[in-house]
Amino acid sequence: QLLLQESGPGLVKPSETLSLTCSVSGGSVSNTDYFWGWIRQPPGQGLEWIGTKHHSGSGYYNPSLRSRLTMSIDTSKNQFSVTMTSLTAADTAVYYCASRIKTKNAFDVWGQGTKVSVSS
Amino acid sequence: SYELTQPPSLSVALGQTATISCEGNDIGSKSVHWYQQRPGQAPVLVIYGTSNWPSGIPERFSGSSSGNTATLTITSAQAGDEADYYCQVWDRRTEVFGGGTRLTVL
Repeated sequence: QLLLQESGPGLVKPSETLSLTCSVSGGSVSNTDYFWGWIRQPPGQGLEWIGTKHHSGSGYYNPSLRSRLTMSIDTSKNQFSVTMTSLTAADTAVYYCASRIKTKNAFDVWGQGTKVSVSS
Repeated sequence: SYELTQPPSLSVALGQTATISCEGNDIGSKSVHWYQQRPGQAPVLVIYGTSNWPSGIPERFSGSSSGNTATLTITSAQAGDEADYYCQVWDRRTEVFGGGTRLTVL
């Protein structure tokens, strides 16, 4: 069974860079049947897609965030990551990683989420 | 950019049927997914590809779509169904989520 676990700093200062990692167990980030995604949820608000990446290198990003994002996959650690630059208070949210299997084309497995606060 | 519109809230009596709508331009031609998010928990996929059940999801949950409206139907609503529900589609290389519907079971 595929399991995902996010890790991150918890608190980041405005204008700084956020780096989040999702550790994958029960499966491989190299599996070509999967895309790997990030979704966030600001306090009291709905879900916002951040981006999705495939082991082949193809990636898709939320146009409103694209200029601040980098996504990568580390096959040696079986992890995938997202980096977001120039943070503001509006980036305060719970950040989820999720897998998107080609047979469903939906985010079928989610991590438990990691809370990120942007504050000085 | 593509937009999905959901009613912010919906109430259903225990044991009755809840119908949650998701409106988007020609959504009937797209593959629609639905997620359930209980308070303090991560979302869970309950319907994919408009009308398919992931393993472990009861058939009380069903989905359909036509024209500009997709629908998630929950029959025999239970207390445990009280949650936020989100629709989602893929449109022009982006994933789009609806704003979510909070379902209250009375």
